Amino acid sequence: QVQLQESGPGLVKPSETLSLTCSVSGGSISNYYWSWIRQPPGKGLEWIGYMYSSGITNYNPALKSRVTMSVDTSKNQFSLKLSSVSAADTAVYYCARNNGWYFYWGQGTLVTVSS
Amino acid sequence: EIVLTQSPGTLSLSPGERATLSCRASQSVTSSYLAWYQQKPGQAPRLLIYGASSRATGLPDRISGSGSGTDFTLTISRLEPEDFAVYYCQQYGSSPLTFGGGTKVELK
Repeated sequence: QVQLQESGPGLVKPSETLSLTCSVSGGSISNYYWSWIRQPPGKGLEWIGYMYSSGITNYNPALKSRVTMSVDTSKNQFSLKLSSVSAADTAVYYCARNNGWYFYWGQGTLVTVSS
Repeated sequence: EIVLTQSPGTLSLSPGERATLSCRASQSVTSSYLAWYQQKPGQAPRLLIYGASSRATGLPDRISGSGSGTDFTLTISRLEPEDFAVYYCQQYGSSPLTFGGGTKVELK
């Protein structure tokens, strides 16, 4: 059974960079697409982007200038960096395995942007 | 970008009743690449339907999806207590992938 677990700081200051890691267990990260999706408190879901295990990426144009995704196949992990954050980036961030649709999700981690 | 509009925003129903949720796309969804999710408070979304009508593993057959082009429907034939939640549609036929705003199914 594939399991995903997000980790990273729960509090980030405005203008700084949000960094999260997703650890994958129960299966290899290789040969799959992996995504980040976020959900502001009380609101809907927003797709941030995906990356393939080889490093190919596809980002949401609304966030593209600030997003970087990377993968570490040796650790079976992939990561998200979101730069120049503001209060609008406060959200629960989920990692998920991308088949187009999403069956495997992490539990989500709340990141609050505040000074 | 394909915009998905879900209606109604809230559906107030009783257990045993039928729930019909709509998801309308601003342009045709390629190859019916549309999924539905259920989300309960404090939990990650749970995949219900993909490919507009294919059930995820373990999904009871009282939950079904239909539609094509720009109009899609999620139907719960007889609501069970565990079905009261928020439901989202998502298209994956074109980039960026997008989600609808959600429909809340609440207890009447």
